[in-house]
Amino acid sequence: EAVMTQSPANLSLSPGERATLSCRASQDIKSNLAWYQQRPGQAPRLLLYGASTRAAGFPARFSGSGSGTEFTLTISSLQSEDAAVYYCQQYNIWPQKFGQGTKVEIK
Amino acid sequence: QLQLQESGPGLVRPSETLSLTCSVSGGTVRTTSDFWGWIRQAPGKGLEWLANIHVSGSPDYNESLVGRLTISIDPSKDQFSLEVTSVTAADTAIYYCVREVEGNWVDPWGQGTQVTVSS
Repeated sequence: EAVMTQSPANLSLSPGERATLSCRASQDIKSNLAWYQQRPGQAPRLLLYGASTRAAGFPARFSGSGSGTEFTLTISSLQSEDAAVYYCQQYNIWPQKFGQGTKVEIK
Repeated sequence: QLQLQESGPGLVRPSETLSLTCSVSGGTVRTTSDFWGWIRQAPGKGLEWLANIHVSGSPDYNESLVGRLTISIDPSKDQFSLEVTSVTAADTAIYYCVREVEGNWVDPWGQGTQVTVSS
């Protein structure tokens, strides 16, 4: 199975700053990676799939990159509504696996 | 717009069986490209994939929970269900029903149902 490791565990930034979240896979997962946003008290919501394709409803300030074992989620200019936990998920190797999450706090 | 809604007991006693149902609206479980599954989240923890099933009926299970999980699907009702046997406090979590798009990423998620295991 592919183990997913996210870093950092916590990120505290001011509005307008750039957030860079990392996700590393223990094996090559090609571009078969998704990102999810989970706001407090809500269910997770698909943010990106195929490593870089934005899901419906998310603005262009969210972008994803990477392939193989190293992936990045970038939020170009943080807004207050971006406060959430962000999870990566690989779906290349059964069973699908989630990372442990990165909590983004807005100062 | 596809929507999923979980239903469950809320409180289950230790050693009993937990039964959850997911009702699908705005779409159908009969789509041959997608899978239907369950993911849970223990308090303050991350996401744990539990099981999925295709309309053809072929289930897959989290290996760490094999033997305790049974997933089923009822195309006539556009529902799918999960049973967890011999529950303990470690099974306390929010349980989400989900669609796995072509067996890949997850979208959408149900709102989740809280399950507490306690005597």
